Amino acid sequence: DGGITQSPKYLFRKEGQNVTLSCEQNLNHDAMYWYRQDPGQGLRLIYYSQIVNDFQKGDIAEGYSVSREKKESFPLTVTSAQKNPTAFYLCASSPGRSYTFGSGTRLTVV
Amino acid sequence: QQQVKQSPQSLIVQKGGISIINCAYENTAFDYFPWYQQFPGKGPALLIAIRPDVSEKKEGRFTISFNKSAKQFSLHIMDSQPGDSATYFCAAWHFNKFYFGSGTKLNVKP
Repeated sequence: DGGITQSPKYLFRKEGQNVTLSCEQNLNHDAMYWYRQDPGQGLRLIYYSQIVNDFQKGDIAEGYSVSREKKESFPLTVTSAQKNPTAFYLCASSPGRSYTFGSGTRLTVV
Repeated sequence: QQQVKQSPQSLIVQKGGISIINCAYENTAFDYFPWYQQFPGKGPALLIAIRPDVSEKKEGRFTISFNKSAKQFSLHIMDSQPGDSATYFCAAWHFNKFYFGSGTKLNVKP
């Protein structure tokens, strides 16, 4: 079945640590996106990529980094510079005017 | 600056009633308007969508009403069921990405 796989489902980060969230898609979509979801704040765009080896900052890119070395993969690294990383992170892919979302990763700082 | 404003933030409806969620936008370059449904701990899934040259689209119990001159669109859920209890996001598409509303948490009481 085609879809987007996010892993892990739950992730715990210690203060000062970098962590990487995985996002893999087998839909052959060119574009991929990372969103952060906080209660009452909707979906905020972190980074997006329209093509391999290219990506753009979204509205809240500070403290995050991404790479797009393969069409299928768009990992997100939450760096120690992100002061409030506890949130639900959603990855999406798109052929244009339609998103398919993954099931999300819940990141908690401990 | 939030480009898509959604209301209400939360909504309680009795089973069998009509749920109505509203969104407003400013950017006339938006050219595609979907609604996404999200259950707790899951990624959003496309529910229904409309293009700005159409004033209404209906799929089963779900209807989008679109008012281009007012730059507003709304989701109507007829005969609301407890299984419809979820968070709903409106969105608008422009230049390779969606802009999302802040979400409405719908609770349908049995």
